[in-house]
Amino acid sequence: YELTQPPSVSVSPGQTASITCSGDKLGNKFTCWYQQKPGQSPVLLIYEDDNRPSGIPERFSGSNSGNTATLTISETQDVDEAEYYCQAWDRTLGAVFGGGTKLTVL
Amino acid sequence: QVQLQESGPGLVKPSGTLSLTCAVSGASISSSNWWGWVRQFPGKGLEWIGEIYHNGNTNYNPSLKSRVTISVDKPKNQFSLRVTSVTAADTAVYYCARETDVFERWVDTWGQGTLVTVSS
Repeated sequence: YELTQPPSVSVSPGQTASITCSGDKLGNKFTCWYQQKPGQSPVLLIYEDDNRPSGIPERFSGSNSGNTATLTISETQDVDEAEYYCQAWDRTLGAVFGGGTKLTVL
Repeated sequence: QVQLQESGPGLVKPSGTLSLTCAVSGASISSSNWWGWVRQFPGKGLEWIGEIYHNGNTNYNPSLKSRVTISVDKPKNQFSLRVTSVTAADTAVYYCARETDVFERWVDTWGQGTLVTVSS
């Protein structure tokens, strides 16, 4: 099972960024999202498609339908510049990660 | 606050064995969680290695299953990773992780990661 993400996404400060994650019938699985800044460990942003852990700003949201899950960042800030990874669970492979998307805030 | 801390050699010779330990603080390893290992290659990609439950049940990435063993030490509140017959392709940052105890799991807590280089 494979998850595909665009290598890079650019957004202007204050605008909305969308990062996609594609996989076969991904909408039938739960997807989660992690944020990773240089030199740091990943941080959980979204779990079970659209749930935020405590402490994650409301401007981070998720959705999942069909073959695509989407992470949406509203009112993007400079501090949101990072690498973003999606992850789903496969009963044979375990946790499967997307290749990551580098978000640049221009 | 749960904290995970990896420890182990940063340099392993080719064909040798990579051994890492993850010390868990702020939570019991006997809690309702799976405890896993994830590695990140220099090119940035993340790969799930495997996981263990406190009762000893394990699941491994099929691509690594023949070389990987994950074990748990409940008295010390820690778990460990062994990877045998390593090559340069095993060079990566290795993270220990706490996973949720649901069918479709995710990582809610990551260790800080430790770089392991395979080189002679």
